[in-house]
Amino acid sequence: DAKTTQPPSMDCAEGRAANLPCNHSTISGNEYVYWYRQIHSQGPQYIIHGLKNNETNEMASLIITEDRKSSTLILPHATLRDTAVYYCIVRAHRNSGNTPLVFGKGTRLSVIA
Amino acid sequence: DAGVIQSPRHEVTEMGQEVTLRCKPISGHNSLFWYRQTMMRGLELLIYFNNNVPIDDSGMPEDRFSAKMPNASFSTLKIQPSEPRDSAVYFCASTKTWGRGNTIYFGEGSWLTVV
Repeated sequence: DAKTTQPPSMDCAEGRAANLPCNHSTISGNEYVYWYRQIHSQGPQYIIHGLKNNETNEMASLIITEDRKSSTLILPHATLRDTAVYYCIVRAHRNSGNTPLVFGKGTRLSVIA
Repeated sequence: DAGVIQSPRHEVTEMGQEVTLRCKPISGHNSLFWYRQTMMRGLELLIYFNNNVPIDDSGMPEDRFSAKMPNASFSTLKIQPSEPRDSAVYFCASTKTWGRGNTIYFGEGSWLTVV
């Protein structure tokens, strides 16, 4: 799977939008962009994923550039409970079966009151 | 709905002892993944199964580690003999086997300390 590059840490004021960037310049056609987060001492939690179109769910929005080489996860109104490590992962979808998630170091987001 | 269930949640054991970690995937899920997390190495994939068959075990650190999935509702990760460097959080995750790119769900982890 393609590797991703994320800033090691970011701060965000409570109530403001948190925009977490991710570079994945070597992404290939069958690879999706996934975002997970890990709150301290818990298992990783799925947030959202997408291929090339922007995606939105109840947790976040995912904006993928037209060339698919980078993306941004947006938490529209960050709360203190959003403080976590956020992982951007590129994962291939194959007809032959499931593929695993390969985690990098992620971005440590601190939401500040 | 019950999520991925792991046991034990915490274990402290002495070096040389056998450790068995257990995982019950979400009902209906036939793909299962074992990960290990340490401060130094982050989250690492150890092994994963599709339909109870091991697909990739290249992440298993050495022969002291073994994993089985005897049926669709149960998996074990065994360390024998355990060493202090095996201290870590071990996560199990599952998803549906058929279909492309199904969401993977994680358990809360088993915290292992080997002294």
